[in-house]
Amino acid sequence: GAGVSQTPSNKVTEKGKYVELRCDPISGHTALYWYRQSLGQGPEFLIYFQGTGAADDSGLPNDRFFAVRPEGSVSTLKIQRTERGDSAVYLCASSLTGDQPQHFGDGTRLSIL
Amino acid sequence: GDSVTQMEGPVTLSEEAFLTINCTYTATGYPSLFWYVQYPGEGLQLLLKATKADDKGSNKGFEATYRKETTSFHLEKGSVQVSDSAVYFCALSDFRGWNTGNQFYFGTGTSLTVIP
Repeated sequence: GAGVSQTPSNKVTEKGKYVELRCDPISGHTALYWYRQSLGQGPEFLIYFQGTGAADDSGLPNDRFFAVRPEGSVSTLKIQRTERGDSAVYLCASSLTGDQPQHFGDGTRLSIL
Repeated sequence: GDSVTQMEGPVTLSEEAFLTINCTYTATGYPSLFWYVQYPGEGLQLLLKATKADDKGSNKGFEATYRKETTSFHLEKGSVQVSDSAVYFCALSDFRGWNTGNQFYFGTGTSLTVIP
């Protein structure tokens, strides 16, 4: 597709489970960002990839959160031992290079029961 | 650090009323400024942007002017419609090198409801 694609669009799981959220950026975009939008809040930065490497992971809230981008395209955000407070919409964005405008996906709505 | 503060909602207006949503920012560099809109059940959509001081962004009847002297980027529309009902987010991005990229800083959002 032409835009940033995120799957699944919705994910419901139980507290303590492991989840993976996927982001397919726009083809050719080298920069990729993950954000988290909690209910009633604006999106907050989690992590930024330049190519395959995580250039800035300062927004990850704790070590239960991890993200990879092994081939410099698709990225997966991984959350271990999920907690109810992890419930949020997780947004992915990509840009051609790190200094260019970002294009956002529609997000994955994660609900932890 | 960089941050955005925007007017708290919710805001309720009658159709054809004038809209202002205030937004101020703090940034160490020379940020670009944005307004995003989120319609019910949908993702973030870019509404308008401005990349330098005194630039005016406009789209769909909405306008915002980048004011460096007051560090503001207020959103305005002269005559709102029911279809403008959504949550509006002010945001900035400030490229400060390849190690941090162009991450966005968002305000908390302002919910707008327009009644017929």
